[in-house]
Amino acid sequence: NAGVTQTPKFQVLKTGQSMTLQCAQDMNHNSMYWYRQDPGMGLRLIYYSASEGTTDKGEVPNGYNVSRLNKREFSLRLESAAPSQTSVYFCASGEAPTSSYEQYFGPGTRLTVT
Amino acid sequence: ILNVEQSPQSLHVQEGDSTNFTCSFPSSNFYALHWYRWETAKSPEALFVMTLNGDEKKKGRISATLNTKEGYSYLYIKGSQPEDSATYLCASPNSGGYQKVTFGIGTKLQVIP
Repeated sequence: NAGVTQTPKFQVLKTGQSMTLQCAQDMNHNSMYWYRQDPGMGLRLIYYSASEGTTDKGEVPNGYNVSRLNKREFSLRLESAAPSQTSVYFCASGEAPTSSYEQYFGPGTRLTVT
Repeated sequence: ILNVEQSPQSLHVQEGDSTNFTCSFPSSNFYALHWYRWETAKSPEALFVMTLNGDEKKKGRISATLNTKEGYSYLYIKGSQPEDSATYLCASPNSGGYQKVTFGIGTKLQVIP
């Protein structure tokens, strides 16, 4: 049982390049989330998906797009990377609201934009 | 956006000491309070999910209490061990949309052998 997996683990991009971060979960959870974590700040929600086929903006959605490909997979796309998007990105899933929105996290993707 | 605050931001204790730290949150429209443990180079893992005022939960040497009327939760660690070194996050779903969980900055605990 892998839980939540993310690829890649590390990525370096140049300003203006695009890339997609992949996330998959095998716990049959309805809800999935993308967060970014920056020094001195808590985890900040970028986008979430309450169920397959739906996505909604979180606290910091600008510069990102998401796709809930199916129940298992939720991808995050940076169309034109900027240095301000240098961060560690975490995907999470959960069985909201039955679990009171408790979340299970992936291992993270460390992204550097130069 | 809900304001979830944690204090202190960092803490050093000697092995064997007991310690505690605080999470505060707006008491209106409370839904749930989560505590996560986040070890370096790993991902956050849920410790407790608390929903009822006066709730007290325990896992080994770690316990947590919840006061929803005044908007705070305490996390206690009894007899700290080096393996307790981690960042402890609290989080709460926003009443305006419970999927939007707000996380505190965390309390970074270092237990010195």
